[in-house]
Amino acid sequence: QVQLVQSGAEVRKPGASVKVSCKASGYTFTNYYIDWVRQAPGQGLEWMGWINPNTGGTNYAQKFQGRVTMTRDTSITTAYMELSSLRSDDTAMYYCARDPRAFNYFDPWGQGTLVTVSS
Amino acid sequence: EIVLTQSPATLSLSPGERATLSCGASQSVSNSYLAWYQQKPGLPPRLLIYDASSRATGIPDRFSGSGSVTDFALTINRLEPEDFAVYYCQQYGSSSLTFGGGTKVEIK
Repeated sequence: QVQLVQSGAEVRKPGASVKVSCKASGYTFTNYYIDWVRQAPGQGLEWMGWINPNTGGTNYAQKFQGRVTMTRDTSITTAYMELSSLRSDDTAMYYCARDPRAFNYFDPWGQGTLVTVSS
Repeated sequence: EIVLTQSPATLSLSPGERATLSCGASQSVSNSYLAWYQQKPGLPPRLLIYDASSRATGIPDRFSGSGSVTDFALTINRLEPEDFAVYYCQQYGSSSLTFGGGTKVEIK
């Protein structure tokens, strides 16, 4: 079955960076985009951007441009999201999700990775 | 950026009742590119509806989506105990994807 498995919870200090991984299985990795969406505690969902695993091309939400980098390693069917210059309001659950094409709906989602930013 | 406004914020209903959730867009959503998700505590969102009215794989037919342009709705017929959750709409008709703020369907 299609599955996205993310790396474990992370704790970082303000100003640091974090890199979250998303391991895909059960489908051809390069045929679908991977998007990243975050959810602050008790809050709604916020789209961060996508990566095309076939080409490595990316598109980032304007809010995160300059701070986020999305990459992939096709040899191990894994996508990555790195967020830099972390602030306390970056504390959130970060989800990866499969996307049939650029700018689309998401199905399925990874289980989420909690990133806590605290001094 | 298209802003999605969901109403009501909370819906208190009993099992067996019908739930109607609304999602209003600040601009026209092209091609009715609107999706609905269900999220339960501690779990990621699950896709229910895409393209405004198409049910995702494995979703029971008590879930239905409707609407176009700026007004969309999710209807849940005969609420089951497992349907009590938070529901989000999402538009993908523009290159800046956005979500609504969510509607919580709680047991009355």
